[in-house]
Amino acid sequence: DIQMTQSPSSLSASVGDRLTITCRASQNISSFLNWYQQKPGKAPNLLIYAASNLQSGVPSRFSGSGSGTDFTLTISSLQPEDFATYYCQQSYSTPYSFGQGTKVEIK
Amino acid sequence: QVQLVQSGAEVKKPGASVKVSCQASGYTFTAYYIHWVRQAPGHGLEWMGWINPNSGVTNYAQKFQGRVTMTRDTSISTAYMDLNRLSSDDTAVYYCARDLHLLWSYFDSWGQGTLVTVSS
Repeated sequence: DIQMTQSPSSLSASVGDRLTITCRASQNISSFLNWYQQKPGKAPNLLIYAASNLQSGVPSRFSGSGSGTDFTLTISSLQPEDFATYYCQQSYSTPYSFGQGTKVEIK
Repeated sequence: QVQLVQSGAEVKKPGASVKVSCQASGYTFTAYYIHWVRQAPGHGLEWMGWINPNSGVTNYAQKFQGRVTMTRDTSISTAYMDLNRLSSDDTAVYYCARDLHLLWSYFDSWGQGTLVTVSS
């Protein structure tokens, strides 16, 4: 099974900050990497698919990059509604594993 | 608009079974796979498996093999996830999510979640 490791596990940031979250796969997954945002009590919401493709309706301040084993999610200018937990997920092979999550809190 | 509406919360005793439903609307049900993902309280997301509503073919995570059954009823655009031999470790919110499952696989619409509590 493929293990997904995110870093950091949590962080504190301010509105307007540029934020980068890293996700590492335990083996080469090409570009089969998705990013989701989850707010408390809500279902996850797709942000980025296939490593760098912005899902329809998602603000352009979100971007994704990487291939192989190392990936990043970047928020160019953090907004109040972006405080949430972010998960990466590999869809290269089943079981489709998720990272442990990165909780973004207000500084 | 696309919607996945799940059945309500359940409370079960250890050893029992639970069946969660996921009714789709706003798109062609048989064109998208349905995945099931669970989240234990305060924990991350765990993929359980998928069903192809067109063919009924399933793919389960090894962890749940022998305990989970995913089915569908195309006449009412509904997918089901049945989990048996429940233990307290199965207490979680269970989500269904759809996936076009072409070259890329990603979950672009999710149900609202169903809380399953296992307690004696």
